[in-house]
Amino acid sequence: KNQVEQSPQSLIILEGKNCTLQCNYTVSPFSNLRWYKQDTGRGPVSLTIMTFSENTKSNGRYTATLDADTKQSSLHITASQLSDSASYICVVLLKAAGNKLTFGGGTRVLVKP
Amino acid sequence: GAGVSQSPSNKVTEKGKDVELRCDPISGHTALYWYRQSLGQGLEFLIYFQGNSAPDKSGLPSDRFSAERTGGSVSTLTIQRTQQEDSAVYLCASSVYRGQMYGYTFGSGTRLTVV
Repeated sequence: KNQVEQSPQSLIILEGKNCTLQCNYTVSPFSNLRWYKQDTGRGPVSLTIMTFSENTKSNGRYTATLDADTKQSSLHITASQLSDSASYICVVLLKAAGNKLTFGGGTRVLVKP
Repeated sequence: GAGVSQSPSNKVTEKGKDVELRCDPISGHTALYWYRQSLGQGLEFLIYFQGNSAPDKSGLPSDRFSAERTGGSVSTLTIQRTQQEDSAVYLCASSVYRGQMYGYTFGSGTRLTVV
């Protein structure tokens, strides 16, 4: 069973609309939880990094939340743009795993005009 | 350069041939990682180098896979006797501890196709 589960696997939204992506994780304790954006043919790029004591972190139109009690995180995209079309990956950095990143399967977002 | 550089960007090889994938990390980054991303799948950890320590090879899927990091900088991932299931994007990342946190930078990957 994957230790980091994301949902939905994919979604299509209209330009200008908002959307929320979900991430549930089972691994602990973790150093921090990260959201990455991966454009097609590119490597992942960090959007947000949150420690277990943080509840929310914003980066422009991207806002990530973290509930360490329920082991859930979400990434909210506000006023989506065509350039938001990408895969969004939830990543947990484990303290006890030599700081290796544990990746979720990603949510593929397609923004249509 | 300013980022992590991987070469080649694309590689098509015949089944049974050996391939070498190269990663140039960011200068000064002490850790280097290799990940594999199969079509529609998440990233799968392969191997991790940290400074002069013995590498963590726990993610290598078979003994056909090996990696080296020379002089604490450039890394080469070698796949021997390639199989069709080795087709994937191979991503390299380097990291450095800064501001009480590890920062990771990924390369654009090498897309390997085994025919």
